[in-house]
Amino acid sequence: GNSVTQMEGPVTLSEEAFLTINCTYTATGYPSLFWYVQYPGEGLQLLLKATKADDKGSNKGFEATYRKETTSFHLEKGSVQVSDSAVYFCALSLRAGNNRKLIWGLGTSLAVNP
Amino acid sequence: DTAVSQTPKYLVTQMGNDKSIKCEQNLGHDTMYWYKQDSKKFLKIMFSYNNKELIINETVPNRFSPKSPDKAHLNLHINSLELGDSAVYFCASSNSGTDYGYTFGSGTRLTVV
Repeated sequence: GNSVTQMEGPVTLSEEAFLTINCTYTATGYPSLFWYVQYPGEGLQLLLKATKADDKGSNKGFEATYRKETTSFHLEKGSVQVSDSAVYFCALSLRAGNNRKLIWGLGTSLAVNP
Repeated sequence: DTAVSQTPKYLVTQMGNDKSIKCEQNLGHDTMYWYKQDSKKFLKIMFSYNNKELIINETVPNRFSPKSPDKAHLNLHINSLELGDSAVYFCASSNSGTDYGYTFGSGTRLTVV
């Protein structure tokens, strides 16, 4: 079936450290891939996306590349800040009839210490 | 100009009560969703409506009933509330057939005591 697997958290880093949050997927067809971020007490926000193989999504210093050969979409940031502390969700989108269905990962909590 | 707005933001109620959560979106999207997020941040889709028509109805107790009076609104009514219903409920919207992603509301934290 279709699924998304994220590395388990919590991830704790010091400010300016390098961040990688792993995400791999299984899917029939050709999914689009997303990263969403949920800051404390807020709803989820779209962080970045990629709709086809080898696409790179980027936003706010975060990047992720759609790797079809490894079925991965790892999230990276070169230098994290305290304000990046949040829960990060990887998701894939597949067509279901005339609609699209999102399959979610379990989320990875990130805490950045000053 | 809030894109997806939910009310109330917090809801504390006793077991056995009936309550409603309202959601409105002003993005012109044709699809709306209700999600439940538990204390471990796990997201579970509950319902999805496309142009007022129910298209996703996951395994959710019959006590939960969505209502979509028009495509900009999707309300959630919960009967006979139980302790296990305590969670954060998120409304979201999107355009079907596109991959622009979902826009989420800020959530309703429901606490059943």
